[in-house]
Amino acid sequence: SQQGEEDPQALSIQEGENATMNCSYKTSINNLQWYRQNSGRGLVHLILIRSNEREKHSGRLRVTLDTSKKSSSLLITASRAADTASYFCATDANAGGTSYGKLTFGQGTILTVHP
Amino acid sequence: GAVVSQHPSRVICKSGTSVKIECRSLDFQATTMFWYRQFPKQSLMLMATSNEGSKATYEQGVEKDKFLINHASLTLSTLTVTSAHPEDSSFYICSARDGRALAGGPRETQYFGPGTRLLVL
Repeated sequence: SQQGEEDPQALSIQEGENATMNCSYKTSINNLQWYRQNSGRGLVHLILIRSNEREKHSGRLRVTLDTSKKSSSLLITASRAADTASYFCATDANAGGTSYGKLTFGQGTILTVHP
Repeated sequence: GAVVSQHPSRVICKSGTSVKIECRSLDFQATTMFWYRQFPKQSLMLMATSNEGSKATYEQGVEKDKFLINHASLTLSTLTVTSAHPEDSSFYICSARDGRALAGGPRETQYFGPGTRLLVL
């Protein structure tokens, strides 16, 4: 069953603005990953944050993880029209400390950045 | 960087026929590959885990006799949709991961193929 819930489901912003997407999950995790998907295409891995990490940065991306609240957020700063895509969080569940790589995806946020 | 390919990218078939989809890791050896299905405007759902040299592990609710998975080598996994029906029409995506750190990324990173769009008439 899907355990990742994302909000908002859709986000529309102007170029230059920041975009924040949130993800909540239910079970214990090894790590949480964020992916991007352009319409009808495969997924592109953006960033991975482990359960013992609280924040991670990669370029214009900033990811936070709060394991006590079982939630994560993805912030895209200074957005560009090319950032328009669907963004998914995915959790890699903790099975006795072992990661089997089975990802459970959230429902996704559709981000539209207007030029 | 790590690249995963899928073939075909798009397939249209008649109801009752079987369709084979290939997933290849091009520049690394993938001991484990995963198959996902994505319906329009929905998220990805894991169907099965494919391990090289052993039987695939299917998620609950996924018919193993309908979705045959073969991971014959460290770079190739195939998904065969047998006796396809219109409700099997979907976007099928594979992913692969290697235990080593690829391109400087975390060991747990999965690399996704571009997907195969299946339409069953």
